[in-house]
Amino acid sequence: GENVEQHPSTLSVQEGDSAVIKCTYSDSASNYFPWYKQELGKGPQLIIDIRSNVGEKKDQRIAVTLNKTAKHFSLHITETQPEDSAVYFCAAVMEYGNKLVFGAGTILRVKS
Amino acid sequence: NAGVTQTPKFQVLKTGQSMTLQCAQDMNHEYMSWYRQDPGMGLRLIHYSVGAGITDQGEVPNGYNVSRSTTEDFPLRLLSAAPSQTSVYFCASSRNRQALMRGYTFGSGTRLTVV
Repeated sequence: GENVEQHPSTLSVQEGDSAVIKCTYSDSASNYFPWYKQELGKGPQLIIDIRSNVGEKKDQRIAVTLNKTAKHFSLHITETQPEDSAVYFCAAVMEYGNKLVFGAGTILRVKS
Repeated sequence: NAGVTQTPKFQVLKTGQSMTLQCAQDMNHEYMSWYRQDPGMGLRLIHYSVGAGITDQGEVPNGYNVSRSTTEDFPLRLLSAAPSQTSVYFCASSRNRQALMRGYTFGSGTRLTVV
């Protein structure tokens, strides 16, 4: 089955700096890669996603890149703000799959 | 429109006790699932359902039972609680299996401690 590895497990950045979180997946059949943000005491929320026929996607300060050949994808957050502090999860799923497989999560701390 | 509602928010059980974690959604979603979240291990799938009357096992199903008698409800049963089941449990739903491609809606979680 699919296995998703996520790095780093914790990341501290200064406000205004950029943050990058990386994930690798094992199943080449996976073709949808969402990112979720979990704030303290809440359930994860989808913030951005990318499909395998796209190399990069941006939404304001966040962007995701995908390298299908290397089977890795990354989340980029620019001009970080204190409200970006949260746990971020990457995930992977096949188009006709039944299961979303998550990475272990990254705790992002933005210091002001 | 409440989304995905989980009850209770917190629970303490003694080893060997049984209980049911409730999950309800009002979005007419066909697909529902249960995850557990443990430090350093992310979200691991326990059981899922693609529709009423249909359930299947995820990555870590042992010690848990589920049923799906209605579209709205997907309860998770712990038959004989063990300390290893101490975790935060999340219920999530999606319009259907294909809509996994457009993301889950998660509940706010149940923090369970087994002593």
